[in-house]
Amino acid sequence: QKEVEQNSGPLSVPEGAIASLNCTYSDRGSQSFFWYRQYSGKSPELIMFIYSNGDKEDGRFTAQLNKASQYVSLLIRDSQPSDSATYLCAVLNTGGFKTIFGAGTRLFVKA
Amino acid sequence: NAGVMQNPRHLVRRRGQEARLRCSPMKGHSHVYWYRQLPEEGLKFMVYLQKENIIDESGMPKERFSAEFPKEGPSILRIQQVVRGDSAAYFCASSPAGPRGGEKLFFGSGTQLSVL
Repeated sequence: QKEVEQNSGPLSVPEGAIASLNCTYSDRGSQSFFWYRQYSGKSPELIMFIYSNGDKEDGRFTAQLNKASQYVSLLIRDSQPSDSATYLCAVLNTGGFKTIFGAGTRLFVKA
Repeated sequence: NAGVMQNPRHLVRRRGQEARLRCSPMKGHSHVYWYRQLPEEGLKFMVYLQKENIIDESGMPKERFSAEFPKEGPSILRIQQVVRGDSAAYFCASSPAGPRGGEKLFFGSGTQLSVL
């Protein structure tokens, strides 16, 4: 079992729709969870982080965490073509020394 | 405030040569991480360093790879006797010290290593 699993996609949504990205993790002791965005040929950029169960909203982005189910998600409302990128789910391991990344989900937002 | 600086951006080596990748963290950051990314794959953790200390190298191959973060100067990822399978993008990230803040990673632009 991979430590952090994501559907590789691609996920295609029309402009203005809600994009829903999902992630599961195996380390039950993990306490910190992140979403990074990576445009093609570029470096990853942190867009959201969440530590507690429930929802966390920042602009058009909402991160959701369910520790009991070991599940993290990212919702992007009013999707724009500029949101087209690969979204990497990341989890800080129990020891707190390394951040483990999923393989990423490719998102395409069609104009 | 300059971001994480990596150089070179592109590095071409022939099989058997050495590759040296450099990373200067953001000002005020004392934690450095190295990750490797193959095409269409996620980031694979390699090593986590603080000044003059290797904290976690569980992702480093046992042979040919080494990393350091000296008291002065950039962090160096060194790959000896490169093979074609070493071709990848190598990203460096840094984070500030302290609880919570140490978890958010700021990435450099990466070094694309090509082994001929």
